[in-house]
Amino acid sequence: NAGVTQTPKFQVLKTGQSMTLQCAQDMNHNSMYWYRQDPGMGLRLIYYSASEGTTDKGEVPNGYNVSRLNKREFSLRLESAAPSQTSVYFCAIRTSGAYEQYFGPGTRLTVT
Amino acid sequence: AQKITQTQPGMFVQEKEAVTLDCTYDTSDQSYGLFWYKQPSSGEMIFLIYQGSYDEQNATEGRYSLNFQKARKSANLVISASQLGDSAMYFCAMRYNGSGGFKTIFGAGTRLFVKA
Repeated sequence: NAGVTQTPKFQVLKTGQSMTLQCAQDMNHNSMYWYRQDPGMGLRLIYYSASEGTTDKGEVPNGYNVSRLNKREFSLRLESAAPSQTSVYFCAIRTSGAYEQYFGPGTRLTVT
Repeated sequence: AQKITQTQPGMFVQEKEAVTLDCTYDTSDQSYGLFWYKQPSSGEMIFLIYQGSYDEQNATEGRYSLNFQKARKSANLVISASQLGDSAMYFCAMRYNGSGGFKTIFGAGTRLFVKA
């Protein structure tokens, strides 16, 4: 996983609860991304961060917030979870000078 | 608008045979890139191969090659000499230069089954 860690691996929430998904990288890359993967669909970009302190919306940002406080960490927050946010969440990094992304192991989130 | 289409939800191939997974894309950008990723049943996403829009030669990585036909906007993945471990979901993706930096969009995927 190219040094990308995600916590937690699994989480069950009730509707309306909040939580933060954590992503950390150990390779000093600038670009970090959050995706969600729903059954039968590819990955959809939620938010990304081109560098420390900057974030930008992707395809499906509604219901999420992100924070990139330092170069290593990029967190995704659900303020009020909804069943529609049941998904597998992947964090990814892009190495400088390259185009491909390397993904963390994913967080499987269920909202009941 | 940028779009990736994978029209094969599932494919079967006999072990040791070659298989082609289809991918078409739509973009008005001149500079873009195309990727293939593999997702085994364990769930991780594994980068396989990349082709830049200006690359004249088709990309190859071991048993993987990307058949890039720019005029037809297709970027098919060819896996030669299939192995049982190739059974997985395969996603085609395209990076483009959106506002704020590079973005990547993914197709819906093709599930490949390799038969012994």
